[in-house]
Amino acid sequence: AQTVTQSQPEMSVQEAETVTLSCTYDTSESDYYLFWYKQPPSRQMILVIRQEAYKQQNATENRFSVNFQKAAKSFSLKISDSQLGDAAMYFCAYSGTGTASKLTFGTGTRLQVTL
Amino acid sequence: NAGVTQTPKFQVLKTGQSMTLQCAQDMNHEYMSWYRQDPGMGLRLIHYSVGAGITDQGEVPNGYNVSRSTTEDFPLRLLSAAPSQTSVYFCASSYDRDRSGELFFGEGSRLTVL
Repeated sequence: AQTVTQSQPEMSVQEAETVTLSCTYDTSESDYYLFWYKQPPSRQMILVIRQEAYKQQNATENRFSVNFQKAAKSFSLKISDSQLGDAAMYFCAYSGTGTASKLTFGTGTRLQVTL
Repeated sequence: NAGVTQTPKFQVLKTGQSMTLQCAQDMNHEYMSWYRQDPGMGLRLIHYSVGAGITDQGEVPNGYNVSRSTTEDFPLRLLSAAPSQTSVYFCASSYDRDRSGELFFGEGSRLTVL
């Protein structure tokens, strides 16, 4: 079974600074997808960024980018120019072959953004 | 554009009571699923469905029942509630065929079992 590990329960960053959230995963598959989801205090889960394993280029969405290291099974999220609205729980998730929508989530990292 | 709608948003039950969490989506998504979220444990998959009439178990299916009679609806039933089922429940859907894996989530239902 696949597992997703987020070893940082909490992180803090100052406004306008950069922060990196870590995620590692374990799988025997070669083709899969990785995701970062954001959960603000409203509880709504929002997709931040998505990476396809067969693509070597790291995904980028505005201020959000990933460092995907397939051999190391590492998938970190970098948030640049942090804003107060970035404060939330961030979940790393994995989906493999077969049903692409069947996601396995990590335990989450709570990000605080300070002035 | 309603997206994924869950009801109720809050519910308090006594041990042994039964109830159904409703989930409906209006995006014609073929895939629907239920997750529970507990502190320090992330989201864990309870049951999922890849289409009407097809359901399967996830990681933590015990104590829960599902059915999928239409594309739009995917209710989650608790037959005999236990305190261990106190949690926040999320319904999610996606158009699985494009293999994007992007799930669209409801707003969650907080269930407390006394």
